[in-house]
Amino acid sequence: LAKTTQPISMDSYEGQEVNITCSHNNIATNDYITWYQQFPSQGPRFIIQGYKTKVTNEVASLFIPADRKSSTLSLPRVSLSDTAVYYCLVGDDKIIFGKGTRLHILP
Amino acid sequence: DTGVSQDPRHKITKRGQNVTFRCDPISEHNRLYWYRQTLGQGPEFLTYFQNEAQLEKSRLLSDRFSAERPKGSFSTLEIQRTEQGDSAMYLCASSPARTGPTYEQYFGPGTRLTVT
Repeated sequence: LAKTTQPISMDSYEGQEVNITCSHNNIATNDYITWYQQFPSQGPRFIIQGYKTKVTNEVASLFIPADRKSSTLSLPRVSLSDTAVYYCLVGDDKIIFGKGTRLHILP
Repeated sequence: DTGVSQDPRHKITKRGQNVTFRCDPISEHNRLYWYRQTLGQGPEFLTYFQNEAQLEKSRLLSDRFSAERPKGSFSTLEIQRTEQGDSAMYLCASSPARTGPTYEQYFGPGTRLTVT
């Protein structure tokens, strides 16, 4: 299973765009990249998933370069309610969580 | 609310007691997962089922832990002779049969266990 590395924490301000980058140098050919969000005292929630290039949904965008050794989750115009832990996961069937990135949005 | 429910939401028990948690997945989901999460850490995989078959168990799952999914619907996780180190949030997740690139998991709210 490919290991992921992401920043432990990030701060940003309301209304800003936030980009969280994840490194996964050993990603396998069949692996997809998935991001989850977790609020305190809740289970993680699926945000977005991609294989290559760019994926966008109503919540976020995911940018994946051609070599797929990293990915960037982009949250447009964040609000205080986006304060959470964001996990980057790489794999096929099994989901292995790291420590995630604690994103703190300031007013 | 993802549609995955867990019961109880909180459990306080004394060291050495047995505890059992229940998870009710989304009804049409055939995969069910158990995770454990301690403060400041990401969820750690414990085990998962496809229908009633337990397909994989983590090395974290000691002999004191057992999980069942007898009819391929709800699942139970039992911890025997609890230890203080078992204090954690126990999360259940379910996912549907694979229709996309990978299994998107839907998590329940968790059961917070405190062992005194």
